[in-house]
Amino acid sequence: GQQLNQSPQSMFIQEGEDVSMNCTSSSIFNTWLWYKQDPGEGPVLLIALYKAGELTSNGRLTAQFGITRKDSFLNISASIPSDVGIYFCAGQLGIQGAQKLVFGQGTRLTINP
Amino acid sequence: DTEVTQTPKHLVMGMTNKKSLKCEQHMGHRAMYWYKQKAKKPPELMFVYSYEKLSINESVPSRFSPECPNSSLLNLHLHALQPEDSALYLCASSQGAGGFYEQYFGPGTRLTVT
Repeated sequence: GQQLNQSPQSMFIQEGEDVSMNCTSSSIFNTWLWYKQDPGEGPVLLIALYKAGELTSNGRLTAQFGITRKDSFLNISASIPSDVGIYFCAGQLGIQGAQKLVFGQGTRLTINP
Repeated sequence: DTEVTQTPKHLVMGMTNKKSLKCEQHMGHRAMYWYKQKAKKPPELMFVYSYEKLSINESVPSRFSPECPNSSLLNLHLHALQPEDSALYLCASSQGAGGFYEQYFGPGTRLTVT
């Protein structure tokens, strides 16, 4: 089945640093989504990407949909303590008339104040 | 408003119990989803409902029984669960299921099977 390789698995950074994470796949996806999940909570949608090559920003977050439709990256600029959490990429497929999300394994972000 | 609500927040049940998880959205979304998430793992899709009909069942054991009474509500009925079924159960919804739409997740129900 489809798999997403998300890296890095974990990051330990200083407050104020920039962060970059990415996802790659051997399969083509029609949509890429980036989520953030805090402990004990559901994933919160950060950015959705619909077109190959698309670059989208949401405040300090910037994400791009790779031109080959097999990869995506997420950048966070000037990190702050509330950025701590697990970030998941997800590729979206249309299957049996419905949508299916395939998730990466997550990037755990820890920030030292 | 992109809110999906789930009740209860926490649930502890024995292996012989019958319980239900509830999910609700009032965004007019026509697709709803159940996911299971184990600790330190990504969510795994269980079921997809599109226009109140079951579209995808990811080979989930029959001790999990989904139900979509109307376009705003999604239930997951639980019976004779095993301890390994303990996990965070997430509900999600999207505008539709035939195209490509953003999925919004609820806060989850933390289930513990004893």
